[in-house]
Amino acid sequence: QKEVEQDPGPLSVPEGAIVSLNCTYSNSAFQYFMWYRQYSRKGPELLMYTYSSGNKEDGRFTAQVDKSSKYISLFIRDSQPSDSATYLCAMSLGGNQFYFGTGTSLTVIP
Amino acid sequence: GAVVSQHPSRVICKSGTSVKIECRSLDFQATTMFWYRQFPKQSLMLMATSNEGSKATYEQGVEKDKFLINHASLTLSTLTVTSAHPEDSSFYICSAVWGLTNEQFFGPGTRLTVL
Repeated sequence: QKEVEQDPGPLSVPEGAIVSLNCTYSNSAFQYFMWYRQYSRKGPELLMYTYSSGNKEDGRFTAQVDKSSKYISLFIRDSQPSDSATYLCAMSLGGNQFYFGTGTSLTVIP
Repeated sequence: GAVVSQHPSRVICKSGTSVKIECRSLDFQATTMFWYRQFPKQSLMLMATSNEGSKATYEQGVEKDKFLINHASLTLSTLTVTSAHPEDSSFYICSAVWGLTNEQFFGPGTRLTVL
């Protein structure tokens, strides 16, 4: 079983839709949870960072961590064509080990 | 967010030559830097973990003598692809970890093409 599971998609939504991206994980000791956005031929950009459980909101983006279910989500409200990218979830125990999902490819259609 | 730079952004070289890629954390000191490789439409593949002043830790299957990593300071790590061959052509991305929060910030990547 992989440490982190993420549906690769692709996911295609119309502009203005609410997007829900999800990852599940197996290690209950993970404490740090991150979402990255990666445009084609670019390095990943850190979008959201959460320590432990709960919700975090930043503009149109909301990250949720449910440690009891070992499930994290990223919601994008009022999606825009510029949100079209690959979204990677990542988790860490702390220290030098990070575990990444395989990424979900999102296309927002104008 | 914190900024990580990579240089060069793109390099084309002949087979057999060596290529050096620099990774710098511009506004913070990084406890750890990572080097990744990424093929088109694939996920990140961790190559090695680099800590300042110590030898890099390579992932299984990554040749230490081919991919030389030097972590000279808390803000600079370099990856040298020695005697590059066409199969080394790829997108190389570095990242740096800010120890206070364990956030990992990525560089913009370097596209290496070996002819």
